[in-house]
Parts: sequence; C-alpha cells; structure tokens
Amino acid sequence: GDSVTQMEGPVTLSEEAFLTINCTYTATGYPSLFWYVQYPGEGLQLLLKATKADDKGSNKGFEATYRKETTSFHLEKGSVQVSDSAVYFCALSPRPSFSSGSARQLTFGSGTQLTVLP
Amino acid sequence: DTAVSQTPKYLVTQMGNDKSIKCEQNLGHDTMYWYKQDSKKFLKIMFSYNNKELIINETVPNRFSPKSPDKAHLNLHINSLELGDSAVYFCASSRGLDGYTFGSGTRLTVV
Repeated sequence: GDSVTQMEGPVTLSEEAFLTINCTYTATGYPSLFWYVQYPGEGLQLLLKATKADDKGSNKGFEATYRKETTSFHLEKGSVQVSDSAVYFCALSPRPSFSSGSARQLTFGSGTQLTVLP
Repeated sequence: DTAVSQTPKYLVTQMGNDKSIKCEQNLGHDTMYWYKQDSKKFLKIMFSYNNKELIINETVPNRFSPKSPDKAHLNLHINSLELGDSAVYFCASSRGLDGYTFGSGTRLTVV
C-alpha cells in the first residue's frame, strides 16, 4: 500500500537558520503530494501541494519539489522564524479512481516537530 | 466564517459511555472524512463519505459509527467508550484534487 516516510524529529533550529525536512513516499502511479502544518492546539492546515512530477509547491517561504525519480518531496525554507514552530506532515493521495469518486484517502507521514529558538 | 467546524472541542467522559462528535462544513465540498490522531501525532483515516455515501471504512471497531445526514455534515458516534479511544479526532472535507480542509479537532479523554 501507499506510505510516506518523514525524517524523525524533533528538529530544533535557531531563528534565520535553513530548514529541510525530508519526505519520501511509496505509491503506485502518480499521487498528489502535500505538506500540512499543525500549530499547537489547532487542526492541520494545508501548507503547499504538488500534483505532478517536477511541480514546485510554495507558500509562506516554504518550498517543496515533486521528484518522481527519487520519490521525494522535501520541505525547505531559507530562513525560519519562531512562528514556524509547529508539527509538519508530509502526505500523499492517489489519483481518483472510478470506484472512489472524489473520495481520496490522504496517507500521512508520522510528522516532524519543529522548534525555532529566538 | 469557520469552514469545517467540530463540536465539542474537548470531551471528557467515563469508560462505557456513548458519545457523539459533530462536524459541519460550509465549503460546498462533496467528500468528508474522519481521522484519528494518537498521542504520538500519528494520523490515520477512519471513514470517508462522498455525497452521503460511505466510501472508505478502515478497520476500526464497530463501536464507531459515522452518520451523514447530508453533504455538509458527518457525525461520529462512539459506543461503549474505552480508554484506548482517547485521542484527537479530526473532521475534514475535500473536493477534486485540492487538499483537505481540516476542522480544529476534538480532544477525547476517556477516564
């Protein structure tokens, strides 16, 4: 079945440091890939997405490129802020099938806790 | 305006009780989901409904029963609660190839 593997945390960085959170996946076909962020006490928010190979998703200074050859979707940010402290989840969803209609199961990685210190 | 709203936000109850969590979305999405997040933050899908029809039903105890009265609502009923049911439960909705929109979660504590 589909699976997502994220680098284990926690990750602690100083403000303005460079961030990379690794994510690799196993799936058949061409899944869509996502990064979600969960701030303390809140639900998950979509951070960025990519739906086909070589697409780059970006938002709020974060970027991730869909690499089919390495089955990866690593999250990067050039200069983190204290407000970026949160748990980050990599996820994939398969292409919709006739039987599932528009219902698509998101498969999540285990999450990576990021703490940014001032 | 809250896009996906869940109630209650916190739920503390005794073992053996029956409880419900409600979820409503005002995004016009046709698919809704329930996810369970355990103490280690791991997220696992429980159910998915598309246009009021059950599409995804992962292996969860049959004490858990989803109910979708219409496209905008997906409620979760839990019978005979057990200690291991303690978790955060998230409702979500989606349409097409867009990502999910999640509710803020319901923290269930069974004592």
